[in-house]
This record gives sequence, structure tokens and C-alpha cells, in this order.
Amino acid sequence: DVKVTQSSRYLVKRTGEKVFLECVQDMDHENMFWYRQDPGLGLRLIYFSYDVKMKEKGDIPEGYSVSREKKERFSLILESASTNQTSMYLCASSPGGGETQYFGPGTRLLVL
Amino acid sequence: QKEVEQNSGPLSVPEGAIASLNCTYSDRVSQSFFWYRQYSGKSPELIMSIYSNGDKEDGRFTAQLNKASQYVSLLIRDSQPSDSATYLCAVNTGGFKTIFGAGTRLFVKA
Repeated sequence: DVKVTQSSRYLVKRTGEKVFLECVQDMDHENMFWYRQDPGLGLRLIYFSYDVKMKEKGDIPEGYSVSREKKERFSLILESASTNQTSMYLCASSPGGGETQYFGPGTRLLVL
Repeated sequence: QKEVEQNSGPLSVPEGAIASLNCTYSDRVSQSFFWYRQYSGKSPELIMSIYSNGDKEDGRFTAQLNKASQYVSLLIRDSQPSDSATYLCAVNTGGFKTIFGAGTRLFVKA
């Protein structure tokens, strides 16, 4: 079974804090993704990575950065958290382009 | 802007009935199509993928794809209360990005 894990299920941060969300997959997948999910807006792609140290912007990259130093690990960084970044953050991985994505359990982030 | 459209619902069906979930997409070159189920507070999990025109069946689930009409659907036969969830349609055009619809909420009444 593919397993994608995320570092935290729930997180509460203050405005202006730097926030790190980590994702680890154990299936040697090439591609990893970060999404945020908000009611009525569905899943929106923040960043994705198709190889170690490679990253591409998704649809809403502003206010976020990512890091992929090892194949199995993909980190999402909120440089200076703001209240409009309160959301559910979902990490996913896939073996190749156009293939099934496997999701982690999600991190519900609240920024006060 | 490439789009994937779904009726937000809720779609309410009685237990044992067929639930029909629909999805349209805007990009004609789309190649891969997926249906994910998401329970409240949980992450999406794959139900089915479909890549060519026609029907694909897996147990109580049938995915239908019509590329000419840019339409993909999911039928759930003998619906159970445990099928109550949000169903996400997802479409890939051949690159790394997959576009997700906002989802249809399904409620199966016991």
C-alpha cells in the first residue's frame, strides 16, 4: 500500500510566524504535490515537484515556498503566515505524470 | 483557464438506489480521468480511473467517459449509507497537473 504521511494533523500558528509542513511518501514516487482545500473552492494546487530539487508553481503559489531535498520528502513553507492561509493542506504523490495521486491525511492549519 | 465542473449537490438517494454523479471538463486534450471519494474530515481516496471512451466497472461502481461530449460520470449501484461522502472528479491533460472539481456531496438515506 502507498503511504503518504504528513507531519501534523492540526496546527495553530500566529500571524507572521514561519510554518513548515512536511510530507513523506514511501513508494519511490517521482511526483509530489501540495494542495490547499477550502469549502466551495475544491483542491487548489500550490506547488509540485517532479524530481529532487525540482519544483514548479501551481495555481496559487503566492506566500508559499517548497523544498525537495530527498525524493521521499516534500516540504511546504509559509514564509510569514497570514490569516487567509488558514486551510486544510493536503500532500499527494504519484508515480508519473497523469497517474493516480495518493493523498496524505491532511494538515488543518489555523492562523490566528 | 482549464476547468472541471461538478454539481455541488447535495445529491440525496435512498439506500439501494443508483447514484449518478456527473462531471464536465473544458480541455479537449484531457487524457486521464479520476474519481476520488472524500469522507468528511478525511483526505481523498481513489475510487476509479478511466482513460478511454466507454464504461469501466469495478464492483458497484461504473465510470463512464465520453470525450466527444467532454463528460465523465460515476454510477454507484445499490447505494449504501457508507457511500455518503463528497466525490471529486479529476482530469489530467497529460502533464504533471491534475485539475480537480469542487466535488459533489452525496447523501444516501437509510
